[in-house]
Amino acid sequence: EPEVTQTPSHQVTQMGQEVILRCVPISNHLYFYWYRQILGQKVEFLVSFYNNEISEKSEIFDDQFSVERPDGSNFTLKIRSTKLEDSAMYFCASSKTLLNTEAFFGQGTRLTVV
Amino acid sequence: GQQVMQIPQYQHVQEGEDFTTYCNSSTTLSNIQWYKQRPGGHPVFLIQLVKSGEVKKQKRLTFQFGEAKKNSSLHITATQTTDVGTYFCAGLSAGGTSYGKLTFGQGTILTVHP
Repeated sequence: EPEVTQTPSHQVTQMGQEVILRCVPISNHLYFYWYRQILGQKVEFLVSFYNNEISEKSEIFDDQFSVERPDGSNFTLKIRSTKLEDSAMYFCASSKTLLNTEAFFGQGTRLTVV
Repeated sequence: GQQVMQIPQYQHVQEGEDFTTYCNSSTTLSNIQWYKQRPGGHPVFLIQLVKSGEVKKQKRLTFQFGEAKKNSSLHITATQTTDVGTYFCAGLSAGGTSYGKLTFGQGTILTVHP
């Protein structure tokens, strides 16, 4: 069964450093998303991406964050100047269409900022 | 912005007992999706409800979407230990420009005692 893959599974970084989280969505999917989940809390929407541009972003997704699809298969989330409160599980997801369809989630990258 | 509230936060049951979690949105939804997240895992899609008053069943799981498309419920009959996990509802807003933004509820953590 096709799946969304994310790397790395765990990333530890020092406060103030930049990190890039990588995702390979399911190949025939057109819509890509990043969500985050702070430990013990709910899943929060960060951004949706379609046709090589951001479709929607949440208030969390400020100038510290950026997304890119550099080569037609990878989908990356860059976090600049990481803060302690950026520590969370970051999930990438993809879907075939925009509405009325399930989102397939990757296994997540656990980001720990120290 | 849109808010999705989910209750209860925790539910402990004996194996064989039934379980229900409820979801309420502050705004009318285009559709509602349900996900299950096992401890340490990622959200896994269970089902999507689109129509007002819709009821869907998956074996021991029954999903309902309210007539006003603002609330939903998941009911599990005769729980088993394999049902353990966190159950999230996630709503997609009706109209507007919500491009694929799923708003998740806080989740209900289900534990099942054998």
